[in-house]
Parts: sequence; C-alpha cells; structure tokens
Amino acid sequence: QVTLKESGPVLVTPTETLTLTCSVSGFSLSNPRMGVSWIRQSPGKALEWLAHIFSDDEKSYSTSLKSRLTISKDTSRSQVVLTMTNMDPVDTGSYYCARESRSRPGADALDMWGPGTTVIVSS
Amino acid sequence: DIQMTQSPSSLSASVGDRVTITCRASQNINNFLNWYQQKPGKAPKLLIYAASSLQSGVPSRFSGTRSGTDFTLTISSLQPEDFATYYCQQSFKTPLSFGQGTKLEI
Repeated sequence: QVTLKESGPVLVTPTETLTLTCSVSGFSLSNPRMGVSWIRQSPGKALEWLAHIFSDDEKSYSTSLKSRLTISKDTSRSQVVLTMTNMDPVDTGSYYCARESRSRPGADALDMWGPGTTVIVSS
Repeated sequence: DIQMTQSPSSLSASVGDRVTITCRASQNINNFLNWYQQKPGKAPKLLIYAASSLQSGVPSRFSGTRSGTDFTLTISSLQPEDFATYYCQQSFKTPLSFGQGTKLEI
C-alpha cells in the first residue's frame, strides 16, 4: 500500500525558513520511474507545483520560486525534504507531496498524494 | 513555462447531466495531460492520465480526449459525489503546471 505523509511546522514567522518532510511507504525512492513532487494551494486558490526529485537526483523547481526552494531526498529513510526560505504571509496554505509516476509509456502523473499539511505564516 | 487555461472556471449542473471541461495548453504537450478531482479539505485525486487513460478505480463515466493543444474531460452522467473542483496538469516539460480549476456545483 502506497502512502505519503507530510510533516512540518504549522506556524512560521515571516522571513523564517520552512522545512517540510514527506515520508513515503509502499514504494522506493530508488525506483527510477518514481519521483516525489511538492504542490501547494493557497486558501481558495488553484494548485501550484513547487518542485520534484527523482531517484537519479533529477530536480526541477517552479520558475517563480526557484531562488527560495531546495528539494532533497534520503532514500534510506524514505523521505523527501523541501525547504523554502524567506517565508511570507502569502505563502500560507496547504502543502502536499505526491508520487510522480513515469511507470507507463508516455505518462507522467501525480498518482498518489499525501493528505497535506497546513502552513500559516504570521508574526 | 507552459500555461494551462481551463474553462469554464465554474459550472452549475444537475445529477444525470453530461458535462465537459476544457483545458488548453500554450504549446504542444503531446498527450502529457492529466486530470484531477479535488473535494473541499482533501488532497486531489488522479482521474485521467496521458490525456485519455482512466486511472485504476475511477468510474468509467469519466473520460478524456485530446485535439491538438485542447484537452477535454467529460463526465457522462453526473453523480452526487462528482461535485468537486477539477484541475488539468501538464507533465510534458518542467516546471509542471496546473490549470486554474473548474468548480462543478449543483
């Protein structure tokens, strides 16, 4: 059974660095056809893709947030970590990690999602 | 970056109706288009991948098609549990990107 679970602080002070952890089970981060993406959603707004990482350490970031984001993985611990620097109240929202599957030809989709974690940026 | 434009942004329909949601990519993305359903307070759920392939466990009333850079999600006969927000997403090129969503209301 594939599961993903996000963890991190609920409340963050402006200018602080946010660190979120995605703990996965039921698949391996060393699988070349599986990666992990981070996605966020501000209250009442659309989904926004942030970053992803694959087994070969392929990484990619949102263009607008690239300077603030770092994604990494610990394969032995089955965890993917996302850090976002210089947090601002506009970064308040739900943060999700999702498995990104390239296991079928011509397909690349976010097929399993964590329940999400709420982050509030406030002083 | 590839922009995804969804329409309509909201839609009112009734149980049993056939509804169509459209997503247009700003450039060719081949079939690298996925559809998700999100209910309030919940994580999104994958419905359709690679433009027209039904994800395992998703009812067959959901279907997807492609015409060039235009993609369509169709629900053939709306059920009460289908009232939700739907998003398209391209995975042809990074950064990945989502449409702005379509809220399907009763």
